Amino acid sequence: DTGVSQNPRHKITKRGQNVTFRCDPISEHNRLYWYRQTLGQGPEFLTYFQNEAQLEKSRLLSDRFSAERPKGSFSTLEIQRTEQGDSAMYLCASSPGQTRNTEAFFGQGTRLTVV
Amino acid sequence: TQLLEQSPQFLSIQEGENLTVYCNSSSVFSSLQWYRQEPGEGPVLLVTVVTGGEVKKLKRLTFQFGDARKDSSLHITAAQPGDTGLYLCAEDYSGGYQKVTFGTGTKLQVIP
Repeated sequence: DTGVSQNPRHKITKRGQNVTFRCDPISEHNRLYWYRQTLGQGPEFLTYFQNEAQLEKSRLLSDRFSAERPKGSFSTLEIQRTEQGDSAMYLCASSPGQTRNTEAFFGQGTRLTVV
Repeated sequence: TQLLEQSPQFLSIQEGENLTVYCNSSSVFSSLQWYRQEPGEGPVLLVTVVTGGEVKKLKRLTFQFGDARKDSSLHITAAQPGDTGLYLCAEDYSGGYQKVTFGTGTKLQVIP
């Protein structure tokens, strides 16, 4: 297992276009998280899946954002009608099981630039 | 969701110096994690502390959890350039769900 994989690593898009990012978690990890991070700041929570169920969505996740994890494995994050303010690093993480105090393993992120 | 404040926000020191960074919350932590993030990479877990007053050591890094479980500190002895990065504290159980909520971060630069 090579860890959490995110694609693409970099995305440049024009304002108003739609973009979709993919996250492949570590095999058999039940939990999957999406975060957004701007330069020099800590990651901000966007949404969280337990298997295929989306359990929580942040207020940061406007109606232009949608995330899916259809089979409880990989996940996609789509941003519609992108705005310059969407420019950020989008991080995906996964963690195993149902217990607390477990480590979240992060991917290398997708850096989005909206021009 | 509680707010995790970290201080200082930025820290630039010479190689060999010691430093301490802090993580504070308005509420009690169920447990607390420290991560380090290097540029272009995702955060990597350093340690998890669970019990009030707990102290954990990882080579030159010493992590302490406050007695009241509302604060934590990370002390680095004899800092090296390889310690450069963004240090993040996080709680892994927020709002009734097992999700990781991060602090504001401390950006550390160690100058050779």
